[in-house]
Amino acid sequence: GIQVEQSPPDLILQEGANSTLRCNFSDSVNNLQWFHQNPWGQLINLFYIPSGTKQNGRLSATTVATERYSLLYISSSQTTDSGVYFCAVVHSNYQLIWGAGTKLIIKP
Amino acid sequence: EAGVAQSPRYKIIEKRQSVAFWCNPISGHATLYWYQQILGQGPKLLIQFQNNGVVDDSQLPKDRFSAERLKGVDSTLKIQPAKLEDSAVYLCASSPPGIAGARDFGPGTRLTVT
Repeated sequence: GIQVEQSPPDLILQEGANSTLRCNFSDSVNNLQWFHQNPWGQLINLFYIPSGTKQNGRLSATTVATERYSLLYISSSQTTDSGVYFCAVVHSNYQLIWGAGTKLIIKP
Repeated sequence: EAGVAQSPRYKIIEKRQSVAFWCNPISGHATLYWYQQILGQGPKLLIQFQNNGVVDDSQLPKDRFSAERLKGVDSTLKIQPAKLEDSAVYLCASSPPGIAGARDFGPGTRLTVT
């Protein structure tokens, strides 16, 4: 089946820093989503981005489908950005296949 | 737009007891999902409904887990009898037409089995 790999697994930054999270996938996808799971467990959809670039405030994402990767950029990090960032793709069976996540800690 | 609603938020039961979780998806979302998330892992799909029909329940432990969505709107997930390894967060999600995969997640129910 399709493999989804996220890097780095852990990231610790000072408030105000920028970061780039990566998601590699092993086959073509119908959909790719980025989620943020906050320390209270709530999963929030950040981007629905099977290809191209999208921006939402301090966050932006780019998916290069032909090269099978996606990047999530976080600029001017805030402590509320802490949590786990998941990449999830939809392949042939229309189910989400999840990466292992990147755990981000933003220190004040 | 109201989000996906779930209740209860927390539940503690003893092993071999039964428990039920409730989910109300976002209005107009025909597709509803139940996920199980164990601490430190990504969510695992248990069952997917399209309206009131089951699309995928291949990973649902059917000897103890059951789910229904009788009127194509809200849904219940039941565990009977519970085991220690069922301790997890149970997430309900829904998606609007045209979106492949779960998109909008509820706050989850944190289940502890002692």
